[in-house]
Amino acid sequence: QKEVEQDPGPLSVPEGAIVSLNCTYSNSAFQYFMWYRQYSRKGPELLMYTYSSGNKEDGRFTAQVDKSSKYISLFIRDSQPSDSATYLCAMSVGPLLVFGKGTKLTVNP
Amino acid sequence: DADVTQTPRNRITKTGKRIMLECSQTKGHDRMYWYRQDPGLGLRLIYYSFDVKDINKGEISDGYSVSRQAQAKFSLSLESAIPNQTALYFCATRGTSTTEAFFGQGTRLTVV
Repeated sequence: QKEVEQDPGPLSVPEGAIVSLNCTYSNSAFQYFMWYRQYSRKGPELLMYTYSSGNKEDGRFTAQVDKSSKYISLFIRDSQPSDSATYLCAMSVGPLLVFGKGTKLTVNP
Repeated sequence: DADVTQTPRNRITKTGKRIMLECSQTKGHDRMYWYRQDPGLGLRLIYYSFDVKDINKGEISDGYSVSRQAQAKFSLSLESAIPNQTALYFCATRGTSTTEAFFGQGTRLTVV
C-alpha cells in the first residue's frame, strides 16, 4: 500500500460547481499537508498547505485535514474553467515530500 | 527568469545512449530533488541532495545517477537509456526551514 492514496479521476464538472478532492494516508509521522496544482506542460505549484487538523480557507479554496482519520480534502467553490488542472496532494515528513497520484479536473464552461 | 530552470525541455534519445538532464536554481535553497512523473503513477522521487556533499537515493534510483556540482546545480544522468525511462522529469528545490517546494518546468524525455 502506498503511503498516500489519491483517486486519479478524471473529474469533469460544470462551471460553478463545488469540487471535492481527497487523499488518504497511512504514515502518522506526516507533518505538513499540501495541495499542488499542475497545469498542462507546467511544473506543480503550491496551492495551499496546512499543519494541523481543521480547515484553512483561501478565497474559493478550502483545505481540510482530519488527522484522526488520516484524510485530507480540498474543496473548490464556484469552480471556474481556469481551475482545470491536475491537483496533487502532498505530505511531508522532515525534508521529504510524498505525493499522491494527482486528480485531473476539468471545469466545463 | 524562472527560479528553477531545467534543460533541455524536450529530448528524444535512442536506447543505450547516455543523457544528462540539468537543473539550476536561483532560490538559494540547499535541498534539491529529482522526480519523474508518469501517467497514473504520479510523482516519484529519484534522488535528492541536501548539500554538495550529501546525495541520497529515492524510491526509484536504479538506472539513474546524479551530480551536485554546486549549491545551485543538480544534474540527473541516465547512463544507458531504456524505453521505460520515457517520462516527464522534474527538478525541485526546498529551503531548510520552508514548507513549499519549487518545481522547474519539466523535461519531457522520450527513449526510442
